[in-house]
This record gives sequence, structure tokens and C-alpha cells, in this order.
Amino acid sequence: GAGVSQSPRYKVAKRGQDVALRCDPISGHVSLFWYQQALGQGPEFLTYFQNEAQLDKSGLPSDRFFAERPEGSVSTLKIQRTQQEDSAVYLCASSFLGDRGYGYTFGSGTRLTVV
Amino acid sequence: KQEVTQIPAALSVPEGENLVLNCSFTDSAIYNLQWFRQDPGKGLTSLLLIQSSQREQTSGRLNASLDKSSGRSTLYIAASQPGDSATYLCAVGNNRLAFGKGNQVVVIP
Repeated sequence: GAGVSQSPRYKVAKRGQDVALRCDPISGHVSLFWYQQALGQGPEFLTYFQNEAQLDKSGLPSDRFFAERPEGSVSTLKIQRTQQEDSAVYLCASSFLGDRGYGYTFGSGTRLTVV
Repeated sequence: KQEVTQIPAALSVPEGENLVLNCSFTDSAIYNLQWFRQDPGKGLTSLLLIQSSQREQTSGRLNASLDKSSGRSTLYIAASQPGDSATYLCAVGNNRLAFGKGNQVVVIP
């Protein structure tokens, strides 16, 4: 597609519920990133894929967070047993090949509210 | 860990004035620096990308400079317009992006 597509745009979850957030990157983009943006803050890195390989997951805040990209294109970020502190906008970005001279394109994000 | 700071956090200017937004980072071993714009409730729109070997980039009324040795970048927006009102985010990349908290800009008609 022309841009990075994320779904759903908004998600309200009850505390303890599991959620799955989808990211469809730009076709041909090798690298895919997930970021978490709390209100009034800059985005914080969560995890990074190169094709289907998850090369860095050091930003995932707990073992309740899990991301996958099984075929090297679409990615899913899953949050188990959601808690109120998980409320944030989750942004996905893709890049042609990491950040070695190439920029990033971000999706519009998924706003998650845990009640 | 890369730390990115943006000053000022917020500013208001009358329409027509030039905007100067500052970004500083602690680790100069970066591959590139990118400026983004974020409108309320929206995702990030890329404005300018400066590769590590470059010193500046220009697009229309926007100009961004990069001084790796001092760990600084400046975004200039000439002749500001009300439509420039948004939050501007600076991000430096080294296999993953580190963001500042942003400069929240209001251009007053």
C-alpha cells in the first residue's frame, strides 16, 4: 500500500483483557518498528523486526507484551492481561532498510484505552 | 542510552514570524536525524531527514541543520502560518529511533 496501515484506530479494553494490534507496513520495507507513546511524551521504542526476525525487543515493558511478524510483512503486537498503564498510542513504523540513511514512515497509530 | 532533548517545550508565535526549534542529543554516533510533525490525535508525518554525512536539508519553508560534533539540530520554519500549529518531534536513529518530547507550536493568526 501507499502508507503504513494500523488497525484498529481505537481500542477500549477492560483491565485483564487481551488485545491484538495490527500493522501493515509499506510493501518492500524490510524493517518494522513498534513504539509506545504516552500522553504528552515522545514515542518510546518497543521492538524491531528485520523481515521476520525480531532483532531487538529490549523496549517491551513486560512479558505481557509480545510481537510477531511471521511472514516478514504484517506484524501484530499483542498485550496480554491489559493494565491501565498500558493505555497509550501504539505506533508502527517501517523503513526500507533500518536507519542506514533511510527514513521511517509511521502509521496513524492505535489508541488503546484500558478501563 | 541516547537522550534527546527539545527546547522549548512549547511556544506561541504570531503568524508570519520565523520559528526556531532546537534538538540536542547525547550520542553523536548516529546514522541520521529526522524531524516529524504530529497533529493532535494523529500519527507522525516525516518532514525532513538528514543523513549523518549531511549538514542540512531543505523543503519549502523548512530547513533543518545538523551538527553532529555538538549533538545539535535546529529546525527553521520560515514565515509561519496557522497551519504550522502542531507538535514537532526530533528523532535520531541508530538501529532504532530515540525521540525527544517535542516542541508544541501554536501560530496565532
